[in-house]
Amino acid sequence: GEDVEQSLFLSVREGDSSVINCTYTDSSSTYLYWYKQEPGAGLQLLTYIFSNMDMKQDQRLTVLLNKKDKHLSLRIADTQTGDSAIYFCAEISSGGSYIPTFGRGTSLIVHP
Amino acid sequence: GAGVSQSPSNKVTEKGKDVELRCDPISGHTALYWYRQSLGQGLEFLIYFQGNSAPDKSGLPSDRFSAERTGGSVSTLTIQRTQQEDSAVYLCASSLWGGESYEQYFGPGTRLTVT
Repeated sequence: GEDVEQSLFLSVREGDSSVINCTYTDSSSTYLYWYKQEPGAGLQLLTYIFSNMDMKQDQRLTVLLNKKDKHLSLRIADTQTGDSAIYFCAEISSGGSYIPTFGRGTSLIVHP
Repeated sequence: GAGVSQSPSNKVTEKGKDVELRCDPISGHTALYWYRQSLGQGLEFLIYFQGNSAPDKSGLPSDRFSAERTGGSVSTLTIQRTQQEDSAVYLCASSLWGGESYEQYFGPGTRLTVT
C-alpha cells in the first residue's frame, strides 16, 4: 500500500530555518499536505500543494515538491519557539478513496 | 465558526468495559474520519464516512470496534470489551467533499486510558 516517510526529530535554533522532509510512494498522489500538531491538540492544516505544482509559498512557509523523486519538503523561515510541534506530511490520491495517508510526524524542537 | 468537537476529552475505563466516543463535525461537511494516535506513532486510519455511502471500515483493528454516523452529522465510535492496547488518542476529522483541497479539520481528540 501507499507509504509516507518522515524523519522523527529535528532540532533547530531560534531564528534559523527549519526544513522538514517527507517521501511518499504513491505516484498518483494528487494532494499533499503539511499538518501541525501542538501538544494536547488535534492536527491543524498548515498548507497543501497540488501535484502539478513544484513550489508554494505562504508567509514563512515554503513547500517544495519533487514529483520525480516523490519528495516533499516544508521550510519554515525564521523559526520561533512557537513553531515547536509535530509536523505531519500526508497525501491523497484523487483516483482513490480520499482517505489520506499520513507520515509518523516529525517533532520539531526549537531552542533559544 | 465552530470547529470539530469531540467528547469526552479524557476517558479512563477499566479493561473489559465498553466506551463510546463522540464526534461533532463541522456543519455541512459530508466526509468524516476516525483515527487513532498511539504514543510516538502516526495516525492510524480507522473508519471513513462519506455522505450516504457505506462507510469504509477497512482500518478497524478488530470487531470490537464499530462506528455510526447518524443523520449525516454526529458520529459515535464504540469500543467493546476494551483492552489495554486500546489506550490512545482518538481523533475525528471532517472534510468538505468536493472542496478545493479535501483538507481535513481535526477535533482535539479523546484520550482513552484503559486500566
